[in-house]
Amino acid sequence: GIQVEQSPPDLILQEGANSTLRCNFSDSVNNLQWFHQNPWGQLINLFYIPSGTKQNGRLSATTVATERYSLLYISSSQTTDSGVYFCAVVTSYDKVIFGPGTSLSVIP
Amino acid sequence: SAVISQKPSRDICQRGTSLTIQCQVDSQVTMMFWYRQQPGQSLTLIATANQGSEATYESGFVIDKFPISRPNLTFSTLTVSNMSPEDSSIYLCSVDLLAPLKSYGYTFGSGTRLTVV
Repeated sequence: GIQVEQSPPDLILQEGANSTLRCNFSDSVNNLQWFHQNPWGQLINLFYIPSGTKQNGRLSATTVATERYSLLYISSSQTTDSGVYFCAVVTSYDKVIFGPGTSLSVIP
Repeated sequence: SAVISQKPSRDICQRGTSLTIQCQVDSQVTMMFWYRQQPGQSLTLIATANQGSEATYESGFVIDKFPISRPNLTFSTLTVSNMSPEDSSIYLCSVDLLAPLKSYGYTFGSGTRLTVV
């Protein structure tokens, strides 16, 4: 089956810093999503991005489907950005497969 | 996007008992899914809840342990049966919305945090 990898596994940032999270996947996918899981366990949908670039405030995402990767950019990080960021791919069978996640801690 | 209500939000249960988790969506959806997230881990798909027929289970998950119902297009339940401490996890339901909301992607409920003692 499709393998989804994320890097880095852990990241500590000073408040105000920028960061890039990466998601690689091993085969063609129908779609890709980025989620943020906050410290209370709530899973928030950030981007639904099969290809191209999208921006939402301080966050943006780029997916290059032909090269099987996606990037999530966080600019001017805030402590509320802390949590785990998951990349999830949608296969041709409409199954959603999650990557292992990147755990982000933003310190004041 | 859709609003998904999941109940209970958390529970502490005795081993050997069963817990039923409910997922209610405020709009009709094509597909509903149940996931498990073990402590410190990513999400793993348990099964797809099919309206009017048996659920489709992923490898490693069986109906006797995780019976699922989906009586209509907006509601599903997951039961965790004969629980053991290894079942302590967050259980989440997810839906795939009908157009024109489909561009929001898969949406998740707030999860049920289960602790088995």
